[in-house]
Amino acid sequence: AQSVTQLGSHVSVSEGALVLLRCNYSSSVPPYLFWYVQYPNQGLQLLLKYTTGATLVKGINGFEAEFKKSETSFHLTKPSAHMSDAAEYFCAVSRSNDYKLSFGAGTTVTVRA
Amino acid sequence: NAGVTQTPKFQVLKTGQSMTLQCAQDMNHEYMSWYRQDPGMGLRLIHYSVGAGITDQGEVPNGYNVSRSTTEDFPLRLLSAAPSQTSVYFCASSYERTDTQYFGPGTRLTVL
Repeated sequence: AQSVTQLGSHVSVSEGALVLLRCNYSSSVPPYLFWYVQYPNQGLQLLLKYTTGATLVKGINGFEAEFKKSETSFHLTKPSAHMSDAAEYFCAVSRSNDYKLSFGAGTTVTVRA
Repeated sequence: NAGVTQTPKFQVLKTGQSMTLQCAQDMNHEYMSWYRQDPGMGLRLIHYSVGAGITDQGEVPNGYNVSRSTTEDFPLRLLSAAPSQTSVYFCASSYERTDTQYFGPGTRLTVL
């Protein structure tokens, strides 16, 4: 079984500051890793994903994440926060031989002007 | 393409009532799934399907039924609604087993 832990249910950043959202996972087989974003009253939208290959993954809206196998982590970063980044972010993992996604509890990001 | 569509957007039920949440996709995706989203718990998988005629249970299947008679549709049935099923329900689909899952806009269900 796999599980996902997101550290911090709420993160508040100033506009222009670094956004760092932490995600750790456990998986018995090589994982596929995802970050999704959910804007208020909407469904989930994929930000980026890691399957194989380069461990630094670039996504939409200036976000990127790095897969660190030794640390079982997949932290999400954005160098400069924008007001439009206010949303809830979910880390998810699936096994490379499976379809089912396991989600973290989510991190709500607020951006201060 | 409309993508993944869900109906209704909102629903209020009384305890013991039954209903079906509809989900359809027009992307010819083989894989479809239902999740429920509760505060502080992320999304939890209810049921999923890897193709027409094939379904399986996820993490929280009790109280829900699914069927997949066509590639496009994957309805979720609540057999006898309970207040614990108050939640936001999302349907998702993907083309291949480990491909990106595309989510519908959700159905907000309240059971009184």
